Amino acid sequence: DGGITQSPKYLFRKEGQNVTLSCEQNLNHDAMYWYRQDPGQGLRLIYYSQIVNDFQKGDIAEGYSVSREKKESFPLTVTSAQKNPTAFYLCASSMSGGRDTQYFGPGTRLTVL
Amino acid sequence: DAKTTQPPSMDCAEGRAANLPCNHSTISGNEYVYWYRQIHSQGPQYIIHGLKNNETNEMASLIITEDRKSSTLILPHATLRDTAVYYCIVRVKNQGGKLIFGQGTELSVKP
Repeated sequence: DGGITQSPKYLFRKEGQNVTLSCEQNLNHDAMYWYRQDPGQGLRLIYYSQIVNDFQKGDIAEGYSVSREKKESFPLTVTSAQKNPTAFYLCASSMSGGRDTQYFGPGTRLTVL
Repeated sequence: DAKTTQPPSMDCAEGRAANLPCNHSTISGNEYVYWYRQIHSQGPQYIIHGLKNNETNEMASLIITEDRKSSTLILPHATLRDTAVYYCIVRVKNQGGKLIFGQGTELSVKP
C-alpha cells in the first residue's frame, strides 16, 4: 500500500522539550516537505528537501530542524526554541521539486502543555 | 502571501454541481493553478491542476479563463462527503515549488 505515513497522529509534550515528528514515504519520491497549519489558517512551509542529504529552509524554519539521511524519511524536530509549537504538522512529497504534484500525509497534531 | 482569492464559504445541494471560483490576477505565464481540499483534521487531498487549458479528471473539472486571471473548480455531482475546505493555489517556482495556501472556501454540501 503506497503512500505517506506520519506518526503519531496526536502528540503531547511539555514545554521546553524537543520532539521529533516522523514522516515516511514509499512512493520513491525525491522531494519532501514539512508544512505547519494553525487553526483556521492555510499551510506554511517549514523545510523542504529535493534530494537525499540536502534540505533548505522554508518560510518559518526558526525553532525547527530536519534531516534527510534516507530517501524515504524526512523527520522534523520541534525544538524548545520554537515559541509557539502547538499546531497541525503536515508532511508532503513529490516526484521531484518544482512542478510535480505534492501529496500529503495524514498529519500530526502537536500540543505543547 | 497567497496569490489567490476565494469566497470564504459556499453551500451546495447534494447531487447538484458545485462551482468554486478563484481569482489569481497576478499569475505569471508559467505558473500552474492547483486545487486541493482538506477535510477537518486530515491532510490536504490533491484534486486537479492546470496551466492554460481546461482539465478534467475523475474527481472534478477545472475551467481556466483565457486571460488566466481566474478559474473555477467544478464538482459535477456533489455528495455529502465533498464537504471540505477547498484551496486554490498558484504554484510558485522557488523553494522547491512550495504551495502557498490561502484561506480557502469552506464548501457545505447539504441534503
